[in-house]
Amino acid sequence: NAGVTQTPKFQVLKTGQSMTLQCAQDMNHEYMSWYRQDPGMGLRLIHYSVGAGITDQGEVPNGYNVSRSTTEDFPLRLLSAAPSQTSVYFCASRSTGLAGANVLTFGAGSRLTVL
Amino acid sequence: AQRVTQPEKLLSVFKGAPVELKCNYSYSGSPELFWYVQYSRQRLQLLLRHISRESIKGFTADLNKGETSFHLKKPFAQEEDSAMYYCALWGYSTLTFGKGTMLLVSP
Repeated sequence: NAGVTQTPKFQVLKTGQSMTLQCAQDMNHEYMSWYRQDPGMGLRLIHYSVGAGITDQGEVPNGYNVSRSTTEDFPLRLLSAAPSQTSVYFCASRSTGLAGANVLTFGAGSRLTVL
Repeated sequence: AQRVTQPEKLLSVFKGAPVELKCNYSYSGSPELFWYVQYSRQRLQLLLRHISRESIKGFTADLNKGETSFHLKKPFAQEEDSAMYYCALWGYSTLTFGKGTMLLVSP
């Protein structure tokens, strides 16, 4: 199993450009989520999904869109990038099958710079 | 709303010294707490969770509901313990992280 795979690893955008960060998992996990990691701020939840067709907002959803058409994939879209979205983005998934085992498996991260 | 507080941004100790990384939480229900670790340029990985009551790499953490704390401890720090440590709480279908504590262990 590859686990949680994120692409691209690095990306530089200009203000106003759009892009999609890809996230795929091969563990048949129902739950997937996106976090951003900023110095001094820890990890903050952007969006999450408890299953295909279901998404919800986290702590910092503004400027980001998500969709969940399949169990495996959970892309994060930036429609009009802003310098404030310069960050490292982490995708994570979790199986809902095990009671009391709310452990997230993280991807390697995508470092985004918006100029 | 749930909240996780890690009061120290940086903790610097010498090899062999005891380590305690503090974590306090706020949550109205029964909490489920975790410690995650991120070594330099690596992805986050689970270190331990309170349900398991286990010791991983010499680290332990005990949930104190009265003090709403879940401090991470290790009696003798090693240089390879240098990393960013995050306390996290699972509740309302989300995992909420603290801001993290950087642990630096010097020789």
